[in-house]
Amino acid sequence: DTGVSQDPRHKITKRGQNVTFRCDPISEHNRLYWYRQTLGQGPEFLTYFQNEAQLEKSRLLSDRFSAERPKGSFSTLEIQRTEQGDSAMYLCASSRDKSSYEQYFGPGTRLTVT
Amino acid sequence: AQSVTQLGSHVSVSEGALVLLRCNYSSSVPPYLFWYVQYPNQGLQLLLKYTTGATLVKGINGFEAEFKKSETSFHLTKPSAHMSDAAEYFCAAARSGANSKLTFGKGITLSVRP
Repeated sequence: DTGVSQDPRHKITKRGQNVTFRCDPISEHNRLYWYRQTLGQGPEFLTYFQNEAQLEKSRLLSDRFSAERPKGSFSTLEIQRTEQGDSAMYLCASSRDKSSYEQYFGPGTRLTVT
Repeated sequence: AQSVTQLGSHVSVSEGALVLLRCNYSSSVPPYLFWYVQYPNQGLQLLLKYTTGATLVKGINGFEAEFKKSETSFHLTKPSAHMSDAAEYFCAAARSGANSKLTFGKGITLSVRP
């Protein structure tokens, strides 16, 4: 049973550039979540998918952010025109289905915007 | 709206001493409650959860937590701290019957002195 994987683990980019992160959930898990964690804070919910459908987006997810899960398997999170305030750890989690409240987290992608 | 409060940002105990990390939730309906641990540069690992049933729940690594509805609390304890317990601990809540997104507290850093 391979866990949730995320790629890349670290990303340094210049302000204004676009970045894309990938998350591969546990294979039989239908739900996939994205969270953002800034220094000294707990993770904050961004969005989640049930299979390929994006069912909820947080108000934290501005128009510069977009997430997809095209075939209900892996997911991508893209940030356009990055700003320094986007610097954070981006965490992906998956769970088996809507009746399971256990979320399994990946190692995260640490984004630094210079 | 649901919120999770973890008072203080840092707890230091001696090896072998009792660990007590506090968590209070604010919700009109008792939520499902979780404790996660995060080691440096790693994702979150589920320690234990409360959904229904017994209010004293046991988790991995000797940790346990008790759900007290009257106190809206879900404090985490371990009878005897080990050096390997040094990490950041997050309390989280999910609303039952909803999309199961997690609302996290700010986290507490546990240090263990030899």
